[in-house]
Amino acid sequence: AQSVTQLDSQVPVFEEAPVELRCNYSSSVSVYLFWYVQYPNQGLQLLLKYLSGSTLVKGINGFEAEFNKSQTSFHLRKPSVHISDTAEYFCAVTALRGATNKLIFGTGTLLAVQP
Amino acid sequence: DSGVTQTPKHLITATGQRVTLRCSPRSGDLSVYWYQQSLDQGLQFLIQYYNGEERAKGNILERFSAQQFPDLHSELNLSSLELGDSALYFCASSVKGTDYGYTFGSGTRLTVV
Repeated sequence: AQSVTQLDSQVPVFEEAPVELRCNYSSSVSVYLFWYVQYPNQGLQLLLKYLSGSTLVKGINGFEAEFNKSQTSFHLRKPSVHISDTAEYFCAVTALRGATNKLIFGTGTLLAVQP
Repeated sequence: DSGVTQTPKHLITATGQRVTLRCSPRSGDLSVYWYQQSLDQGLQFLIQYYNGEERAKGNILERFSAQQFPDLHSELNLSSLELGDSALYFCASSVKGTDYGYTFGSGTRLTVV
C-alpha cells in the first residue's frame, strides 16, 4: 500500500518570496507522483506529475517539483509566489503497476500568500 | 471547465434520507473515481469504475453504492444519511490509467441536517 505525508498543514509566505511545500511518500513498489491544487470552492487541478525520466518536473503556473527516490520525497517549489497562488496543495501517489490506479492523497498544505 | 460534470453542485437533505450524485466523465475517459473530502478525513478514495465495471473499492460505507452506466456516466448513491456524511464529493475521470493524472469535477457539496 502507498501513503503520503505532507508535514506542513499551512505555509505562510510573503508575495514574491520563494516557497517549498514538502511531500514524502511510502511505497514498497515504484510509483507515479502528482501535485494538485485546489482553489477555494473549486475542484482539484493537476499541477504536475512525475512518471519517469528527469527527476525535475516542471508544471503549470511556474511550479516545479523534484523526485528524490532515496529520500522518498517529491517537494514542490516556486521561486516567486503571487497572491493568486493562495490555495490548498495536495500531493498524491499511485502504484506504477497496481491492480487499480487509485490516487492516494496527502492531507494537503494551505499556501497562504501575504502582500 | 474541466470536462467532468457533477450535479447537483449543492445538496441539503435531512438525516435518514437518500440522495444520488451524478457524474459525467470527460469525453473519451473510461475510468471514473469517487472521492469524499471532509475537514477531518481529508480526501478519501471511495470507489473506481472502469468501462462499467467496478475496479477498486476504498473507504466506502455499506450505506453508499455506485454504478457506471453504458454511456459511462456514474452515480453515487448515499442512503440512511448521517450528519457525518456532510462533505464535498468529487468525481474524477481518466482515460485508463493515471499516466495523465485525473481530471476532477467541481464537486457536490452535501449538507446533512
